Amino acid sequence: DAGVIQSPRHEVTEMGQEVTLRCKPISGHNSLFWYRQTMMRGLELLIYFNNNVPIDDSGMPEDRFSAKMPNASFSTLKIQPSEPRDSAVYFCASSAGTADEPQHFGDGTRLSIL
Amino acid sequence: GNSVTQMEGPVTLSEEAFLTINCTYTATGYPSLFWYVQYPGEGLQLLLKATKADDKGSNKGFEATYRKETTSFHLEKGSVQVSDSAVYFCARYSSASKIIFGSGTRLSIRP
Repeated sequence: DAGVIQSPRHEVTEMGQEVTLRCKPISGHNSLFWYRQTMMRGLELLIYFNNNVPIDDSGMPEDRFSAKMPNASFSTLKIQPSEPRDSAVYFCASSAGTADEPQHFGDGTRLSIL
Repeated sequence: GNSVTQMEGPVTLSEEAFLTINCTYTATGYPSLFWYVQYPGEGLQLLLKATKADDKGSNKGFEATYRKETTSFHLEKGSVQVSDSAVYFCARYSSASKIIFGSGTRLSIRP
């Protein structure tokens, strides 16, 4: 079975550029989560969706960050303009949305902003 | 508040040693509890879970028991291997599919 698929796996770009991270959740899962992981702050929840609708975006650091889920099989996280402090590993996770169901994580996108 | 607290790392042990990583939680009610493991360069993977009080989750020689009296879910393994070196996250279910994670404990096993 295919797990959560993220692309790209690595991204290196210069500050000021637009960055788009992509995620394909597990088929049949109705909840999708975007996380950021850094050494300084650990794992942070940025935003999550239920049935393609954003439920809580309080973790989005600022207006430069935006996320969309146009359908049940695809989501994007966009940073525009990017800054060096956005360098981190970004994870997407999905779940079936019940209390017993764990989240399933992708392998992440390692983002470096120069 | 609603949170998960786990012992700070790093934890360094010799191969075949006994492992305990402590985890406590605060919550209203009895949420499902989880342990996740993150190997270098990978995402978090579910290691084990327990969905109600006194349940024991187990996988790959790891165990954790849901203790509502002490609001704890400590991770244990009787004999660790070098391949167990990773970061371990304790977590609990929150609401609307959301999971609250602890800060992670880095485990290093010496041959």
